[in-house]
Amino acid sequence: NAGVTQTPKFRVLKTGQSMTLLCAQDMNHEYMYWYRQDPGMGLRLIHYSVGEGTTAKGEVPDGYNVSRLKKQNFLLGLESAAPSQTSVYFCASSRDPSSYNEQFFGPGTRLTVL
Amino acid sequence: QKEVEQDPGPLSVPEGAIVSLNCTYSNSAFQYFMWYRQYSRKGPELLMYTYSSGNKEDGRFTAQVDKSSKYISLFIRDSQPSDSATYLCAPLSGGYNKLIFGAGTRLAVHP
Repeated sequence: NAGVTQTPKFRVLKTGQSMTLLCAQDMNHEYMYWYRQDPGMGLRLIHYSVGEGTTAKGEVPDGYNVSRLKKQNFLLGLESAAPSQTSVYFCASSRDPSSYNEQFFGPGTRLTVL
Repeated sequence: QKEVEQDPGPLSVPEGAIVSLNCTYSNSAFQYFMWYRQYSRKGPELLMYTYSSGNKEDGRFTAQVDKSSKYISLFIRDSQPSDSATYLCAPLSGGYNKLIFGAGTRLAVHP
């Protein structure tokens, strides 16, 4: 099992460019999440999905869109990148919880917007 | 005020020291409390979690929750250089398994 994988690992964008980050998991998890991590801020939830075809906003959704067309994939899009979106982006997944289930994280994507 | 407050450190200790990492939170409805460990340039990994108040021990690690004071602690005994990482507290917030992360405390254990 590869667990949670993220593509690409690094990216540099210019202001106004667009890009899509891909997250894939091979654990048949229902729930998937996108976070951003900034110095001194911890991880903040951008969007999440509780199943194929569903998405919901997290704490900091502005400037991002997501899609979950297949259960194993969760895409994060930046339509018009801004320097404030320079960050490290993490994807995570978990089983449908009856009480609590661990979130498994990918290795992250380092994005710089110039 | 943030829902979860955590001193970002950095915290530097000698090998073998007892380390205490702490968080405070504001929402009394939180019931599950997670500690994640994140090595440099890696994704976070679950270290341990506790439910409600009390202690939970796993080897050299002890997690403690005091719901009356809304205080979360992680103790590391006999700390090792391999424990050098950022430690993030994360209460479970409401449904859909969502977590609220603290800022993370960066720990360095030197030989």
